[in-house]
Amino acid sequence: DTEVTQTPKHLVMGMTNKKSLKCEQHMGHRAMYWYKQKAKKPPELMFVYSYEKLSINESVPSRFSPECPNSSLLNLHLHALQPEDSALYLCASSQDLYRMNTEAFFGQGTRLTVV
Amino acid sequence: AQTVTQSQPEMSVQEAETVTLSCTYDTSESDYYLFWYKQPPSRQMILVIRQEAYKQQNATENRFSVNFQKAAKSFSLKISDSQLGDAAMYFCAVFSGGYNKLIFGAGTRLAVHP
Repeated sequence: DTEVTQTPKHLVMGMTNKKSLKCEQHMGHRAMYWYKQKAKKPPELMFVYSYEKLSINESVPSRFSPECPNSSLLNLHLHALQPEDSALYLCASSQDLYRMNTEAFFGQGTRLTVV
Repeated sequence: AQTVTQSQPEMSVQEAETVTLSCTYDTSESDYYLFWYKQPPSRQMILVIRQEAYKQQNATENRFSVNFQKAAKSFSLKISDSQLGDAAMYFCAVFSGGYNKLIFGAGTRLAVHP
């Protein structure tokens, strides 16, 4: 199994809603990542978890709250988002943080629309 | 800081022809890795090819090959015998242990015409 599975694939939420994005991998990878990708732009790193601990936070607003409950799961909790947060949210995993040279596997992303 | 520049926002190629996508990068690290990722309309980022900076030999994966010029910090991707399924957004990226993050270029949209 070489897949990173993200749910839901599409999400529409209001600015007062609370929602969560979910990412799962069963490749035994110990590093997991959240990226944000706006239309026609490259992915931008948001968070990195290494061995279930937050390793990198790219100064992301607190309305985005990541969580790594175990080595296979990564969540992104969303609260009080703004319309400009509408984007494709990509999850990725790699063997470990210091071995990104092997391969990073990406999920298909969650297309988020904030109304 | 690390930066990646893709100067071609869009490229097009005829089916069965060859096309080269350009990428230049800047890093102060001595040990780093370079990647080309493909993102088709399905949105999933797929690794196309990978190059270790310490290896002089250019990486090759079937129809995909790179021209790695370390001194010039250039990492171009050549696609031979282009196929309709190659149509996608292509991102060049660099990773180094010093920064522990994958930095992407702006991308090149490749169209393949029958």
